Amino acid sequence: AQKVTQAQTEISVVEKEDVTLDCVYETRDTTYYLFWYKQPPSGELVFLIRRNSFDEQNEISGRYSWNFQKSTSSFNFTITASQVVDSAVYFCALSERGYSSASKIIFGSGTRLSIRP
Amino acid sequence: SAVISQKPSRDICQRGTSLTIQCQVDSQVTMMFWYRQQPGQSLTLIATANQGSEATYESGFVIDKFPISRPNLTFSTLTVSNMSPEDSSIYLCSVMGLTNTGELFFGEGSRLTVL
Repeated sequence: AQKVTQAQTEISVVEKEDVTLDCVYETRDTTYYLFWYKQPPSGELVFLIRRNSFDEQNEISGRYSWNFQKSTSSFNFTITASQVVDSAVYFCALSERGYSSASKIIFGSGTRLSIRP
Repeated sequence: SAVISQKPSRDICQRGTSLTIQCQVDSQVTMMFWYRQQPGQSLTLIATANQGSEATYESGFVIDKFPISRPNLTFSTLTVSNMSPEDSSIYLCSVMGLTNTGELFFGEGSRLTVL
């Protein structure tokens, strides 16, 4: 069965610090997708990134970067030079057979990130 | 990405009543899903809304409690029946991206409080 674990329930850092959010997943499939979503205080879920199981290349988008390591079943998310606007709950998620009509996405429990000015 | 509108955005309901949440998408989508997010919790998939057929429910969710309609490719409703305070949650409609590579896009959610 698939499972997503976000061990960090809450993280609080001072603005401009770097912060890494951990995500560990379990799946029996060889084909799957991993995702990160952001849920700001307004409540709307914002899609950040998708990574498929065959692409272990790390990705950088501005201050955000993602480190996918199949050997440790991890998909960690780093925010560099954090800003107050980064304060939100961040969810890691997993989808098996991600392009199949039968796929569904399972979410981790979320990490609440607070950036203090 | 699709634009997803949900109504109502929030409501306060009395125990024992039922409430229907509407989800409208600005484009035709194959896959629509309903999630529940209880206070301070993660998202749990309730069901997949299938166009023209009965919804596919996840373990722990039943049609009598959460009837779902999907009359066309742009619209779905979720009814929360015979509500109790335990049903107080955010209910989120979501659709799969057009590339069908798995990412979901979400509406703003409907925050229900049951007294």
